[in-house]
Amino acid sequence: DQQVKQNSPSLSVQEGRISILNCDYTNSMFDYFLWYKKYPAEGPTFLISISSIKDKNEDGRFTVFLNKSAKHLSLHIVPSQPGDSAVYFCAASAQVSGTYKYIFGTGTRLKVLA
Amino acid sequence: NAGVTQTPKFQVLKTGQSMTLQCAQDMNHNSMYWYRQDPGMGLRLIYYSASEGTTDKGEVPNGYNVSRLNKREFSLRLESAAPSQTSVYFCASSADASSYNSPLHFGNGTRLTVT
Repeated sequence: DQQVKQNSPSLSVQEGRISILNCDYTNSMFDYFLWYKKYPAEGPTFLISISSIKDKNEDGRFTVFLNKSAKHLSLHIVPSQPGDSAVYFCAASAQVSGTYKYIFGTGTRLKVLA
Repeated sequence: NAGVTQTPKFQVLKTGQSMTLQCAQDMNHNSMYWYRQDPGMGLRLIYYSASEGTTDKGEVPNGYNVSRLNKREFSLRLESAAPSQTSVYFCASSADASSYNSPLHFGNGTRLTVT
């Protein structure tokens, strides 16, 4: 049973417009959420995170929103650029036996069209 | 600024062969992890080491062993490779697995094919 779901395998957006990537989770014990970006033949790169005590975190063009009641988070990229084309993974973590474990979604491939 | 370094980048094994994937980090991180990535499955945790001297199983540990050689190095061993272990393997590190605000930093992966 997938605890972290990214239901859109792919997304295409015009350059300069907003990209919205979505992620849903089922475990209410998760208290820290992250987004990673992955280019082909490279490892995932940490992008932005949010703790469960917040509902929004912003870093430049990237903003993550958390809706705890809906168990939903989203990543907004504004404005989108061709270099943002990559696979985006959301991840959620909870402390188990003193250690934070990360559960990843299956990823959304974003294509930004020039 | 190497970060997390994995070797080899590619490997082809025959069923039943063994091999060790190497990982080293230069960020003085306490915690290290091994993940595998398969199509449609996301990243799944194989083993992790919260600190030097400790290792624990993740979601999919069967068929693997690990060694935390020192603070920098964490290796993953396949004793008898099976086609189901064909995957891309990522090593990661974090400053402290007991802290929530401690993102993972990944290496560039090892693409393993078992025939």
